[in-house]
Amino acid sequence: DSGVTQTPKHLITATGQRVTLRCSPRSGDLSVYWYQQSLDQGLQFLIQYYNGEERAKGNILERFSAQQFPDLHSELNLSSLELGDSALYFCASSVGTGGLSYTFGSGTRLTVV
Amino acid sequence: AQKVTQAQTEISVVEKEDVTLDCVYETRDTTYYLFWYKQPPSGELVFLIRRNSFDEQNEISGRYSWNFQKSTSSFNFTITASQVVDSAVYFCALSEYHHSGGYQKVTFGIGTKLQVIP
Repeated sequence: DSGVTQTPKHLITATGQRVTLRCSPRSGDLSVYWYQQSLDQGLQFLIQYYNGEERAKGNILERFSAQQFPDLHSELNLSSLELGDSALYFCASSVGTGGLSYTFGSGTRLTVV
Repeated sequence: AQKVTQAQTEISVVEKEDVTLDCVYETRDTTYYLFWYKQPPSGELVFLIRRNSFDEQNEISGRYSWNFQKSTSSFNFTITASQVVDSAVYFCALSEYHHSGGYQKVTFGIGTKLQVIP
């Protein structure tokens, strides 16, 4: 157990729907990172939050949004889902803002049908 | 620009063979960090190693060893006497400070799928 908790582990939903993925960082970690892993794109950085504020943005679609709450857990919201959004979504956490000590969660596998 | 290249998409070896996974990176910074992660069939990402750009000492951890060569911008990973449990996708990653954004930007390679055949 890495200490980073992601729920749900699996999610199957239809195109056009909206889903929310949840991540609880490791105790003491203030940063949360979201990554998307699809077959053809590898691991793509989506967004980072540090202590409740957006810190860095990667290849995140406008249909996707995220936030980090006062208790430091984070949610990734995916809306108007398309077949191509099917992927493994990872959350990682670290103590500071630097990506030097990532701890990854076990991921949420999203299947859009 | 920041780029990590893992040219080997899939490798198959027979158990007990040694195997080297290649990683070549590109960066203009003098300070950066390199990582290797393992993703077994169960899907989770497991941290293996982190090196900073100022430490070119090779590292050995059990059957795993890493060869960092700044001159060739490579950070290769060797598994000695491979075992079936080593079957996984291995990712190399580069972390570089993003000066305008004020954060560490991490770029992952596409991954190398290693299959160890019994």
